[in-house]
Amino acid sequence: EVQLVESGGGLVQPGGSLRLSCAASGFTFSSYDMHWVRQATGKGLEWVSAIGTAGDPYYPGSVKGRFTISRENAKNSLYLQMNSLRAGDTAVYYCARGAAVAGTDGFDIWGQGTMVTVSS
Amino acid sequence: DVVMTQSPLSLPVTLGQPASISCRSSQSLVHSDGNTYLNWFQQRPGQSPRRLIYKVSNRDSGVPDRFSGSGSGTDFTLKISRVEAEDVGVYYCMQGTHWPQWTFGQGTKVEIK
Repeated sequence: EVQLVESGGGLVQPGGSLRLSCAASGFTFSSYDMHWVRQATGKGLEWVSAIGTAGDPYYPGSVKGRFTISRENAKNSLYLQMNSLRAGDTAVYYCARGAAVAGTDGFDIWGQGTMVTVSS
Repeated sequence: DVVMTQSPLSLPVTLGQPASISCRSSQSLVHSDGNTYLNWFQQRPGQSPRRLIYKVSNRDSGVPDRFSGSGSGTDFTLKISRVEAEDVGVYYCMQGTHWPQWTFGQGTKVEIK
């Protein structure tokens, strides 16, 4: 079964750091671009970061310089290192598989999400 | 950045009746390769998002044929021919043309009247 399972969420103080993980199974992880998408409670979806099969990372302006995406193909794992966290980063973070080249066809597999709460 | 604008944001529908959601982009979504990378996602209450449609009109496996996508350039539509109870949720359009920046619409909440 094709599956993505996130972990690592929790409560962190403003300015703190957190590392999210995503374990992939059921497909050839190294062959796919991977993404992180977040959703604040009651709000819409926001793309947070992407990593290509060659390890090339991409970010929107809202997290660039604070978040780092990485992957470890030998472990079928995706990571998101989040630093200098702000209250506005509070959200459920989803790991998602990119469909087609560069995720142009969106994200065809999603994890169940992990909750990150930034609060003092 | 490409801005995706959906309307309406809330859509009460009677069971068995059709529903239509509009999605407009601030720039053309026609890629240099000739394809238009406009996707639709469904998020049922308490669930993760699920892709319904890619490249404007291609349904994912297992998606009922009452769902259809259409449009071109900057103007797109998701239609549900006859709304069923399981269709309740929030629907998002998303563009993949202008990668490496992927942008979603605000979401349209479909509920039963």
